[in-house]
Amino acid sequence: AQRVTQPEKLLSVFKGAPVELKCNYSYSGSPELFWYVQYSRQRLQLLLRHISRESIKGFTADLNKGETSFHLKKPFAQEEDSAMYYCALFMEYGNKLVFGAGTILRVKS
Amino acid sequence: GAGVSQSPRYKVAKRGQDVALRCDPISGHVSLFWYQQALGQGPEFLTYFQNEAQLDKSGLPSDRFFAERPEGSVSTLKIQRTQQEDSAVYLCASSSLRRDEQFFGPGTRLTVL
Repeated sequence: AQRVTQPEKLLSVFKGAPVELKCNYSYSGSPELFWYVQYSRQRLQLLLRHISRESIKGFTADLNKGETSFHLKKPFAQEEDSAMYYCALFMEYGNKLVFGAGTILRVKS
Repeated sequence: GAGVSQSPRYKVAKRGQDVALRCDPISGHVSLFWYQQALGQGPEFLTYFQNEAQLDKSGLPSDRFFAERPEGSVSTLKIQRTQQEDSAVYLCASSSLRRDEQFFGPGTRLTVL
């Protein structure tokens, strides 16, 4: 079955420190991976998707099919990055996003 | 333009009551999705519409859940005879294409007492 695993419920870092939010997936086909973010009192919104290979707000994520991972990285965390982050998978022939349980990122000053 | 809107934002129901949750997608978006998000979990898929056609309802947890999108725009998720386990945030999302970026609404928080 398709599954997305985010092993950390909470990641707490100091401002300026590097950040890596882990995401592993289980899917035998060709996946499309996304990171969604939810800031306090705001709605869920797309942060980035693997096919666009962009850097958004300093975040990047590389799809590693060998390790079935799509970790989210940022070299220098900022306080405004504090939010809930969800990794999500869209199946090749599916009709839905499969979400992980989410990781709370807390950036301390 | 306006994003996805949902109403009501909060709903409290007594166990056994029927509820109806509304979603207004972004104008022109063909695809519409409903998700259920329990406390501390990620959103879980309920159902998918392409225009007015419900193409996937594999995530609906029981036959008490029913969704419709009769004119291919506004959608309603109805839950009959609500149970405590139905308490969750119900999210609606729309996209221009099935596999494209999904734009989410603010959600409806349902509490069943």
